[in-house]
Amino acid sequence: DAGVTQSPTHLIKTRGQHVTLRCSPISGHKSVSWYQQVLGQGPQFIFQYYEKEERGRGNFPDRFSARQFPNYSSELNVNALLLGDSALYLCASSLTARQGARTEAFFGQGTRLTVV
Amino acid sequence: AQSVTQLDSQVPVFEEAPVELRCNYSSSVSVYLFWYVQYPNQGLQLLLKYLSGSTLVESINGFEAEFNKSQTSFHLRKPSVHISDTAEYFCAVRPMNRDDKIIFGKGTRLHILP
Repeated sequence: DAGVTQSPTHLIKTRGQHVTLRCSPISGHKSVSWYQQVLGQGPQFIFQYYEKEERGRGNFPDRFSARQFPNYSSELNVNALLLGDSALYLCASSLTARQGARTEAFFGQGTRLTVV
Repeated sequence: AQSVTQLDSQVPVFEEAPVELRCNYSSSVSVYLFWYVQYPNQGLQLLLKYLSGSTLVESINGFEAEFNKSQTSFHLRKPSVHISDTAEYFCAVRPMNRDDKIIFGKGTRLHILP
């Protein structure tokens, strides 16, 4: 079975541009979360979506947005890119987002975004 | 709010020697605890987790971690490391009363010396 898949694997963008990153969760998983991992740091939570609704949002500016589709795949969009947005963007899927559920998050390989 | 502190950014250790990677957390609510491993140029893989029950949890590749509630620690140990254990290790927590985010430490790079 395929794990969490992310595309593209690498991306180079110019300051001010817009970028869309894509994630396909494990089959049967309904929750998708996005994390930003800057070089030398641990991943930081950006968003969680469950059943196409936003369930949680981290401390990121409004330039960051996301959505989840009926097939539970997800897109992360970043507008007006800054040099500081250069990072590894990780997607994680889990079976459910029911509060208190002991669900495990499975991570994809990530998309490495470089802003020049 | 929750926070995770990994005291060592890098730990060098000789092959076949024991290792301990330290992790302390702070939280006003009960949390689940995790260790993730990240091999070079890859995503995160769950190494082990503490949800409830026995405070000592083990992974299939010889790592173990012990949850100490009084010291708010979840240190990772392995009695004998191999060159293949070279990776970045992240300690993480998730509040039991919500399921939207995992809070990670800054990571510890395990460097195995031949």
